[in-house]
Amino acid sequence: DAGITQSPRHKVTETGTPVTLRCHQTENHRYMYWYRQDPGHGLRLIHYSYGVKDTDKGEVSDGYSVSRSKTEDFLLTLESATSSQTSVYFCAISEEGDYEQYFGPGTRLTVT
Amino acid sequence: KQEVTQIPAALSVPEGENLVLNCSFTDSAIYNLQWFRQDPGKGLTSLLLIQSSQREQTSGRLNASLDKSSGRSTLYIAASQPGDSATYLCAVSEGGATNKLIFGTGTLLAVQP
Repeated sequence: DAGITQSPRHKVTETGTPVTLRCHQTENHRYMYWYRQDPGHGLRLIHYSYGVKDTDKGEVSDGYSVSRSKTEDFLLTLESATSSQTSVYFCAISEEGDYEQYFGPGTRLTVT
Repeated sequence: KQEVTQIPAALSVPEGENLVLNCSFTDSAIYNLQWFRQDPGKGLTSLLLIQSSQREQTSGRLNASLDKSSGRSTLYIAASQPGDSATYLCAVSEGGATNKLIFGTGTLLAVQP
């Protein structure tokens, strides 16, 4: 299995609070992605990174920001959590020339 | 806008049966297509990746085919086992170095012993 960990694995937070999810990889892969998975919608891309400090928006980026200061870490921040951001969040990685994406175990976030 | 559809949403078969899962996409200009397996409460495990120039890929009892012109892919599972029970997802990439994926909503497979 690709060396990808996500933390925390589960989190319950209140509406309006900031939340940061962390994705950590040991594969030294260039590309990292954040997806959310919701019933009826499948997985949708939030943000992605194509290198240190290089990030861009995905399909559902409103309300989210990301940062990548090191190759191995990709952070997803909800500045002010809302109930619509209750979801399961997955991180994925891939390497240039290897188009296969490898996924982390996910973080289940509940916003009350 | 690319849309990916998987039908049926759920499928139940007896053990030992050969089965086919379907994936269709609206824009044939894809770069590659990837099939994943997801167990309940778990992450996604990559099963097969087919480049746009390929027609099929095989791994053990799994065979995935790709017909770009018709916008379809199938995942064939031979001699199904209860351990194959999971949700199967397909995803297409529209290219570019970043390889962003667009997912279908999956087929929930139950293999009955």
